[in-house]
Amino acid sequence: AQRVTQPEKLLSVFKGAPVELKCNYSYSGSPELFWYVQYSRQRLQLLLRHISRESIKGFTADLNKGETSFHLKKPFAQEEDSAMYYCALRSYSNYQLIWGAGTKLIIKP
Amino acid sequence: DAGVIQSPRHEVTEMGQEVTLRCKPISGHNSLFWYRQTMMRGLELLIYFNNNVPIDDSGMPEDRFSAKMPNASFSTLKIQPSEPRDSAVYFCASSGQPNQPQHFGDGTRLSIL
Repeated sequence: AQRVTQPEKLLSVFKGAPVELKCNYSYSGSPELFWYVQYSRQRLQLLLRHISRESIKGFTADLNKGETSFHLKKPFAQEEDSAMYYCALRSYSNYQLIWGAGTKLIIKP
Repeated sequence: DAGVIQSPRHEVTEMGQEVTLRCKPISGHNSLFWYRQTMMRGLELLIYFNNNVPIDDSGMPEDRFSAKMPNASFSTLKIQPSEPRDSAVYFCASSGQPNQPQHFGDGTRLSIL
C-alpha cells in the first residue's frame, strides 16, 4: 500500500537549534517526494521536491531509498519557520499526491 | 499570475443549506484538485479533474458532495444539504500536468452551524 508517515504531530525546538522533520514512505517503485509548508492561515506552498535537490529557506531533504525516508532538515531554526509541514508522495500510476498527516513545527524564541 | 483563486474565503451557514465553493485554477493548468483539511483527518483529496474531466472522485465523502468543472477556468464544489461535520477548510489546487507540482489556493474556511 502507498503511504506517507510523519510520526511527529508536533515538534518544538528553540531558535538556532537544528530541526529534522521525519517522513517515511511506503511505495512499490520509484517515488517522487515533496515537502509542502503551510504558514498560519495561509495556503499550502511547495517547499521542495526531491528531484530538484535544492535548498529552500535553508531546508534540505534527501531521499533515502534504503530507509524509505525523506526527512526535512535545517541546521539552524528561525522563528519564521513555525508552520505546518506536509510530506507528500506522488504516485506515477495516477499522479495523485499521497499526503502525510503533517507536523506542526514550533520554533521557540 | 494571481495563482489559484478561491471564493469565498469564509462561509458560515446553517445546517441544511446548500454551500457552493468556487475555484479558478492558474491559467493553462490542466489538472485541478479539491482537498478538505480538518484537525482530525488532516489533508484529504476529495476529487481531481484532468482536462475538465473528473478522474478520481473516490475521496468524496458522500452523495451530498458534488463537484463540476464546466470549463478549464472554473470549478465548483457543492454540498447539499450541509451538515456541521462538513466544517473544514477546503482547498483547491491546480497543476500544469498531473505530474507537475500542485499550486494551492488560499482555501475556503467553512463553518456549518
